[in-house]
Amino acid sequence: QKEVEQDPGPLSVPEGAIVSLNCTYSNSAFQYFMWYRQYSRKGPELLMYTYSSGNKEDGRFTAQVDKSSKYISLFIRDSQPSDSATYLCAMIHTGTASKLTFGTGTRLQVTL
Amino acid sequence: DAGITQSPRHKVTETGTPVTLRCHQTENHRYMYWYRQDPGHGLRLIHYSYGVKDTDKGEVSDGYSVSRSKTEDFLLTLESATSSQTSVYFCAISENGSNQPQHFGDGTRLSIL
Repeated sequence: QKEVEQDPGPLSVPEGAIVSLNCTYSNSAFQYFMWYRQYSRKGPELLMYTYSSGNKEDGRFTAQVDKSSKYISLFIRDSQPSDSATYLCAMIHTGTASKLTFGTGTRLQVTL
Repeated sequence: DAGITQSPRHKVTETGTPVTLRCHQTENHRYMYWYRQDPGHGLRLIHYSYGVKDTDKGEVSDGYSVSRSKTEDFLLTLESATSSQTSVYFCAISENGSNQPQHFGDGTRLSIL
């Protein structure tokens, strides 16, 4: 079983929809959580970085962490075609030189 | 964009040949990382560096070596390339090892025939 599970999708939504992307993890040593966006043939781009349980908002993006359930989410409001990409969750064990453990990514397609 | 340049961006080579990939950063970050990305596996850590001449293994280090002689450069070498090493390779940097997020380059697509 992988330490981090993420539904690969693809997920297809109409423009303007609210998108919910999720990851679950099994190891309570993960304490720092990130979401990356990756366009085709490009490197992952950091979207959100959070530590504590609860919500963190940045524009149309909200990251949610529930450490008791070992579950993290990324919400995208008013989705745009430019949001079409693969979204990767990533996590850090404390004291591990910032080594990331990634989910396999969810492909999102936002249609007109 | 984080100042990370990977070279080459694309390479095709034959089994058994040596291959070196280069990562160059202009951010003066202490930590540098090499990942490979494969369908169904996501991004997996190959090796990382926590300073000049200081390196350590990741989860998929077999068949790879690294070197870091300057803060700005981190090299990944496949001593004798195999077809299983066909992948997209990403370099990442982090300011320090204190649970900071990483920033990625745009990758090198490596095909081994």
